Amino acid sequence: QVQLVESGGGLVKPGGSQRLSCAASGFTFSDQYMSWIRQAPGKGLEWISYISKSGSTKYYGDSVKGRFTISRDNAQKSLHLEMSSLRAEDTAVYYCASSTKWGGSFDHWGQGALVTVSS
Amino acid sequence: SYVLTQPPSVSVAPGQTATITCGGNNIEGKSVHWYQQKPGQAPVLVINYDRDRPSGIPERFSGVNSGNTATLTITRVEAGDEADYSCQVWDSSSDHPGVFGGGTKLTVL
Repeated sequence: QVQLVESGGGLVKPGGSQRLSCAASGFTFSDQYMSWIRQAPGKGLEWISYISKSGSTKYYGDSVKGRFTISRDNAQKSLHLEMSSLRAEDTAVYYCASSTKWGGSFDHWGQGALVTVSS
Repeated sequence: SYVLTQPPSVSVAPGQTATITCGGNNIEGKSVHWYQQKPGQAPVLVINYDRDRPSGIPERFSGVNSGNTATLTITRVEAGDEADYSCQVWDSSSDHPGVFGGGTKLTVL
């Protein structure tokens, strides 16, 4: 069955950096469009980044553009999110999610990784 | 940027029908997807492309999309349906195309 497992969450100081990873299994990773979606405590879902199957096309939400970088390694079946210049408002559970179609639904989600930005 | 508007909360008695709306400008021109999220869990896709149910989702869940409003309907509501429900679209005209509604807390009385 499809499985997405995030890792790399933790406590980071304001202004610091963190790298999240998402390991995929149970499907052909290179056939999936991938996204990062986050959820601040007590808040709704916020889409933050998207990458095409080949990795050639990337999109970012306004709140993270210029600070976060999405990437993927199809050989390793992994998705990454490099986060820098972190702020308190970046504190959230970060989910990776897969889509079989460009611009389609987020069909499968990981369990999430908590990133806490605090001094 | 495109905005999706959901009511913060909806309450319904067991066995009754719950209706959750998602408003957006000419939303019928976009595909709407719905997610269920229970406390402490990751979201689960319950309706995609306006009205399709992924494998394993009960027939009690259905969706429609018309005009400026998409609607998720849950018939014969059960206690286990209590959760947050969020709608989502892809705004292909934007350079930040992923859009979620604010979410609706469904309470089963």
